[in-house]
Amino acid sequence: QAGLTQPPSVSKGLRQTATLTCTGNSNNVGNQGAAWLQQHQGHPPKLLSYRNNNRPSGISERFSASRSGNTASLTITGLQPEDEADYYCSAWDSSLSEGVFGGGTKLTVL
Amino acid sequence: QVQLVQSGAEVKKPGASVKVSCKASGYTFTSYDINWVRQATGQGLEWMGWMNPNSGNTGYAQKFQGRVTMTRNTSISTAYMELSSLRSEDTAVYYCARGDTYRNWGQGTLVTVSS
Repeated sequence: QAGLTQPPSVSKGLRQTATLTCTGNSNNVGNQGAAWLQQHQGHPPKLLSYRNNNRPSGISERFSASRSGNTASLTITGLQPEDEADYYCSAWDSSLSEGVFGGGTKLTVL
Repeated sequence: QVQLVQSGAEVKKPGASVKVSCKASGYTFTSYDINWVRQATGQGLEWMGWMNPNSGNTGYAQKFQGRVTMTRNTSISTAYMELSSLRSEDTAVYYCARGDTYRNWGQGTLVTVSS
């Protein structure tokens, strides 16, 4: 069972902008922020952003993350067919002393 | 470049144990924690625990306490995750990931638990 809450699915058109959300509490997202991961079918996850809006090298600027209170968001601009994937948020829960993930959002690019 | 290479697929009977390895290269193994995450087919990611390769310190998810053990061999830059008392619900792909931000991932190891 997921510790963070994500919408199961989001659908947007080609070249549009998608915003994915991830809701936690003051012990996880609201404390140290969230990381975002992208996973294509049959592949391991790939880190897109960590500690709210730090992008690893090689990650497109089309991916940007933010946080407001206990909710983290990932915005993907100029949607491309290759952006169709599952997206997971993750955080450290200081109360549980455990890592927690969201249930994932399946992004469909129409 | 950073690589995490995991051991191959395993088939185990209920009640048995499995030990998955994760060999690191391209960075200083002892400088980053290793996290273990699993994913059942068609399901989301589930955090299992972390290990500090330098100190050997570990932290496990409450769900796996008493069944999981994470160790390492620094001489060969390899981390291990052993899960015991396997049941069918443990059938999943098991991943190792580098650092507390999951910056790099292994390719995954499918563990199938079936009688």
